[in-house]
Amino acid sequence: GDSVTQMEGPVTLSEEAFLTINCTYTATGYPSLFWYVQYPGEGLQLLLKATKADDKGSNKGFEATYRKETTSFHLEKGSVQVSDSAVYFCALISSGGYQKVTFGTGTKLQVIP
Amino acid sequence: DSGVTQTPKHLITATGQRVTLRCSPRSGDLSVYWYQQSLDQGLQFLIQYYNGEERAKGNILERFSAQQFPDLHSELNLSSLELGDSALYFCASSASGSPLEQYFGPGTRLTVT
Repeated sequence: GDSVTQMEGPVTLSEEAFLTINCTYTATGYPSLFWYVQYPGEGLQLLLKATKADDKGSNKGFEATYRKETTSFHLEKGSVQVSDSAVYFCALISSGGYQKVTFGTGTKLQVIP
Repeated sequence: DSGVTQTPKHLITATGQRVTLRCSPRSGDLSVYWYQQSLDQGLQFLIQYYNGEERAKGNILERFSAQQFPDLHSELNLSSLELGDSALYFCASSASGSPLEQYFGPGTRLTVT
């Protein structure tokens, strides 16, 4: 079945540091890929998405590129802020049959001033 | 604010009991999705309803059931509760039958004692 693997957290960075959170997936066909963010005490919010190979999703300074050859969708940001502290989930939606979402385990990011 | 509302915010109950969680989707959204987030299982898709009909099923236990009413709000019923059912239960909604663009509610935290 479909699966998403994220790097273990927590990740602790200083403000203005470069962020990379790794995500790889296993799926048949051509899934759509997503990053969601969950701030403390809140529900998930869609951060960015990419629906086909080589697409780059971007939002609020975050970017991720759909790499079919490496089955990856790594999240990056050039300069993190304290307000970016949250849990980040990589997810996919399969292309065939019922479109169910499969989430990774989440990576907690803590940014310190 | 995503526009998706969930009640109650917190629920504490005893093993063996039955509870009902309620979700109101964003205005105009036809699909409702239910997810369970627990420490050991992560974030898991439970079930989707589209315009009153069950559309897709995930890892939903037989003790759990859901329905979507004509006004499009949805209820998730959890019965014969066990300690392991303690979790955050999220509802999400989307305009169509596809979860490609779904919006999450703030969640209901269920504690089973």
